[in-house]
Amino acid sequence: EVHLVESGGGLVQPGGSLRLSCAASGFTFSSFPMHWVRQAPGKGLESVSAISAYGGNTYYIDSVKGRFTISRDNSKNTLYLQMGSLRVEDMAVYYCMREAPNGSGDYWGQGTLVTVSS
Amino acid sequence: DVVVTQSPRSLPVTLGQSASISCRSSQPLVFSDGNTYFNWFQQRPGQSPRRLIYEVSKRDSGAPDRFSGSGSDTDFTLQISRVEAEDVGVYYCMQGTHWPWTFGQGTKVEIK
Repeated sequence: EVHLVESGGGLVQPGGSLRLSCAASGFTFSSFPMHWVRQAPGKGLESVSAISAYGGNTYYIDSVKGRFTISRDNSKNTLYLQMGSLRVEDMAVYYCMREAPNGSGDYWGQGTLVTVSS
Repeated sequence: DVVVTQSPRSLPVTLGQSASISCRSSQPLVFSDGNTYFNWFQQRPGQSPRRLIYEVSKRDSGAPDRFSGSGSDTDFTLQISRVEAEDVGVYYCMQGTHWPWTFGQGTKVEIK
């Protein structure tokens, strides 16, 4: 059974940094591109970043370019999101999502909450 | 970025009746391989999103057959027939053809 478990969220001051992790199990992690999707409190879903199966290609939305870095360690079956220069508007639940081979996300984690506040 | 406009934002329905949610994309969603990567997700209160429909009309194995998707090009619809209490939640459409993948604003389905 596929499992995605995020961790690393917490309270951080504006301008601070945080690293999120997503531990994957139940499938061949190195075969699938992975995504981070966020949801601000009471709001909708927003794609944040994506990474190809072997990590050679990465994608970001404009608002996080230069501040966030997505990476993966296929030997540890783990996806990461290094977040820097955090802003109040980055506050959200961050989900990791497996990309299915059909332009979709077929499995999601339970999410980890990032709170940006002074 | 592709803008996906979803309507209605709120949808009160009577148990056993049908419901329909629409999404319109600002760009055609046919990918270079000929497929259209349009999806529907359900998010129950306090839960992570769960995929119901992919590639416009293909239903996930765990999704009840009362959920169906249709559409093409820029216009798509999710139909829920015979709404049940467990269908309460927020439904999102999402395009996976162009990066960044973009979601509709969500439709909150509630029971009258």
